[in-house]
Amino acid sequence: EVQLVQSGADEKKAGESLKISCKGSGYIFSNYWIGWVRQLPGKGLEWMGIIYPDDSETKYSPSFQGQATMSVDKSISTAYLQWNSLKASDTAMYYCARVIGYFHLSSVGFDSWGQGTLVTVSS
Amino acid sequence: QAVLTQPSSLSASPGASASLTCTLRSGINVGTYTIYWYQQKPGSPPQYLLRYKSDSDKQQDSGVPSRFSGSKDASANAGILLISGLQFEDEADYYCMIWHSSAVTFGGGTKLTVL
Repeated sequence: EVQLVQSGADEKKAGESLKISCKGSGYIFSNYWIGWVRQLPGKGLEWMGIIYPDDSETKYSPSFQGQATMSVDKSISTAYLQWNSLKASDTAMYYCARVIGYFHLSSVGFDSWGQGTLVTVSS
Repeated sequence: QAVLTQPSSLSASPGASASLTCTLRSGINVGTYTIYWYQQKPGSPPQYLLRYKSDSDKQQDSGVPSRFSGSKDASANAGILLISGLQFEDEADYYCMIWHSSAVTFGGGTKLTVL
């Protein structure tokens, strides 16, 4: 069974750094892109970017480029999302999800999702 | 204009059918894309329901009831999630998604109320 397990909720102050994680199991982690999705309180889903574990290639949403950084440690099947200086506006639920499909066929999507990590940033 | 547009809300009665639309922006041909559909209940992550490109290229996630199905309306340039035999447990937010211009794009979501 494919599973993505995310790190627990975190509370930080504005200006602090944070790194959250997403550990995959039940499949060959290196072979599937992993995506990150933000959901602000009471709002819809926003795509942040995707990362390929085998070579750490990344594709960022223009809206999130430079705001947060994706990384991966394929030796422990774990993807990360980190911030160097959090803002109150980063308060949200963050989900990781496994990518399926093919880019050249415009058939890419997410199948399995992590349980989410709630990040709360106080000013 | 957003790439994907979904009605913000929809209400339907138990046992009835609900047709949730996901309209692609003019100039983006729905026939080219695979549309993914997700269900999200309060306090839970999104759940993958199905993907649909055509009747010969579609997939339902394991465990998703056959009451959920996908289709397209080419004349409206839209993807459709049809839920038949509505049950109270189907009350949730539903999101569509495509891969377009090297990016993931989500629709704004439809809140389905079953009453």
